[in-house]
Amino acid sequence: DTEVTQTPKHLVMGMTNKKSLKCEQHMGHRAMYWYKQKAKKPPELMFVYSYEKLSINESVPSRFSPECPNSSLLNLHLHALQPEDSALYLCASRSGPQVGTGELFFGEGSRLTVL
Amino acid sequence: GENVEQHPSTLSVQEGDSAVIKCTYSDSASNYFPWYKQELGKRPQLIIDIRSNVGEKKDQRIAVTLNKTAKHFSLHITETQPEDSAVYFCAGGNRGTSYGKLTFGQGTILTVHP
Repeated sequence: DTEVTQTPKHLVMGMTNKKSLKCEQHMGHRAMYWYKQKAKKPPELMFVYSYEKLSINESVPSRFSPECPNSSLLNLHLHALQPEDSALYLCASRSGPQVGTGELFFGEGSRLTVL
Repeated sequence: GENVEQHPSTLSVQEGDSAVIKCTYSDSASNYFPWYKQELGKRPQLIIDIRSNVGEKKDQRIAVTLNKTAKHFSLHITETQPEDSAVYFCAGGNRGTSYGKLTFGQGTILTVHP
């Protein structure tokens, strides 16, 4: 299984809503990532978890709250978002720091629209 | 931190022609350079990568070259086909540090006309 699975595929929320994006992988990867991608732009790194610990936070606003319940799951909790947060949110995984091929496996993404 | 510049931003070719996309990087510590292809509405997918101890790598119609001295690397696609049309992103990073953090180029929209 070389899949990174993300749910939901599409999400529309108001600025006062609380929602969560979910990501799952069963490749035994120990590094997991959240990226944000606007149309025709490169993915922008938001968070990195390594061995279930938050390793990198790229100065992301606190209205985005990541969580890694176990080595296979990664969540992104959303609260009080702004319309400019509308984007494709990509989860990715990698076999781990300093090991493996270095290849990032991306999920299909969750397309978020904030009204 | 690393900065990756990618050119051109758009590239239009006829089917069967070759396409070349170029990237430069700034951090001499970077040692891993992947290329991702992203079709409309799809996830980025790795198509080829190269490590800094190698100057060239080929996989069928796709090749990547790396010049460490000049800090640039290029993607070459030969005998292009309409299904090669997509956005291509280069990236650079250091596999041994920062949990595999990659810095992406701005992307090249490749259009292959039948």
